[in-house]
Amino acid sequence: EPEVTQTPSHQVTQMGQEVILRCVPISNHLYFYWYRQILGQKVEFLVSFYNNEISEKSEIFDDQFSVERPDGSNFTLKIRSTKLEDSAMYFCASSEGQVFDEQFFGPGTRLTVL
Amino acid sequence: AQSVTQLDSQVPVFEEAPVELRCNYSSSVSVYLFWYVQYPNQGLQLLLKYLSGSTLVKGINGFEAEFNKSQTSFHLRKPSVHISDTAEYFCAVSGSNTGKLIFGQGTTLQVKP
Repeated sequence: EPEVTQTPSHQVTQMGQEVILRCVPISNHLYFYWYRQILGQKVEFLVSFYNNEISEKSEIFDDQFSVERPDGSNFTLKIRSTKLEDSAMYFCASSEGQVFDEQFFGPGTRLTVL
Repeated sequence: AQSVTQLDSQVPVFEEAPVELRCNYSSSVSVYLFWYVQYPNQGLQLLLKYLSGSTLVKGINGFEAEFNKSQTSFHLRKPSVHISDTAEYFCAVSGSNTGKLIFGQGTTLQVKP
């Protein structure tokens, strides 16, 4: 059964460093998402991506964040200069369509910023 | 703007007992409603969704949910739970013109033998 994969499963970084979180969505899916969950808080939407551009982003997704689909299979989230408050579980998801199609989630990357 | 409230952070229940996980939402526009489950060290998995039509929605693993527009609720139920149902359950909404999911806080279902 196809699944969304994410690497690494756990990333530890120093404050101010850049990190890239990687995701491989399901191959025939066209819409891609990043969500995050700070420990003890809700899962929050960050950004959606379609046709090689951002279709929607949240207030959290400021200039420190960027997304890219560099090679037609990977979908990456970059944080340019990490802050302590960026520590969270980051989930990638993909769907065939947009609005009511099931979003398939990856297992997440736990980012720890020291 | 939309929001989701899951009224219970933890629900302990004995095996083979029925369970209800509560979810209320607020929205000024039509919404789609979802329940996701997260097992330890795994991603979120869709249990069921309500788009339109019949207000009673059946999902995987014997779960069902009922959409109540007047009470803005979408409670999840299972008539008889198993140990393997122990997991985190998330209620979510999306608007009719966006794929963005807005999640509730999550409810931990703890099934005891």
